[in-house]
Amino acid sequence: NSKVIQTPRYLVKGQGQKAKMRCIPEKGHPVVFWYQQNKNNEFKFLINFQNQEVLQQIDMTEKRFSAECPSNSPCSLEIQSSEAGDSALYLCASSPQNNQAPLFGEGTRLSVL
Amino acid sequence: TQTVSQSDAHVTVFEGDSVELRCNYSYGGSIYLSWYIQHHGHGLQFLLKYYSGNPVVQGVNGFEAEFSKSDSSFHLRKASVHWSDSAVYFCAVTGNTGKLIFGLGTTLQVQP
Repeated sequence: NSKVIQTPRYLVKGQGQKAKMRCIPEKGHPVVFWYQQNKNNEFKFLINFQNQEVLQQIDMTEKRFSAECPSNSPCSLEIQSSEAGDSALYLCASSPQNNQAPLFGEGTRLSVL
Repeated sequence: TQTVSQSDAHVTVFEGDSVELRCNYSYGGSIYLSWYIQHHGHGLQFLLKYYSGNPVVQGVNGFEAEFSKSDSSFHLRKASVHWSDSAVYFCAVTGNTGKLIFGLGTTLQVQP
């Protein structure tokens, strides 16, 4: 049973709409990752945090995607203006340190119609 | 460039058979190697990892993997599979940046 909690499990949006998903990392894990998994099983790293600070993020994330991990609140990933190509499984993961194999949540499956 | 290659897209075995899922990687520095399992419609479940020490590591549900530096491999094995082992298996490398580099996965189908 995963201890990384992601909500919602499913998200359906129209093109141009905002899409927001949340993640509660494993207790005691200061490092949080967001990955996008497409239907071809390709994983794309989006962003990672250590506590509330961004460690790395890809260029795509800097444009339409935004993410945060505020203290004492769930982490979140938001797509400002959804596109059909954003349809994917978004996976949150957490880790006690940056270079260890993280634990993943069940994911949020986004469908952009 | 860090890469992970899983040479078999699909593997089909019968319940009770042994299985080996292959993983080869290329990376120049210190790394974590790990395996994850993904059942249909779910997230990734951690199976096992290797960083140093004994090259054979034990994981959950009877899985083990063996690290080979000479072959740049980290193959996953199970002596006797169960139908519930049917899933997609991902091999991953964690480099010093902390990001996971995944293979494209191997779909394991266990027939009764």
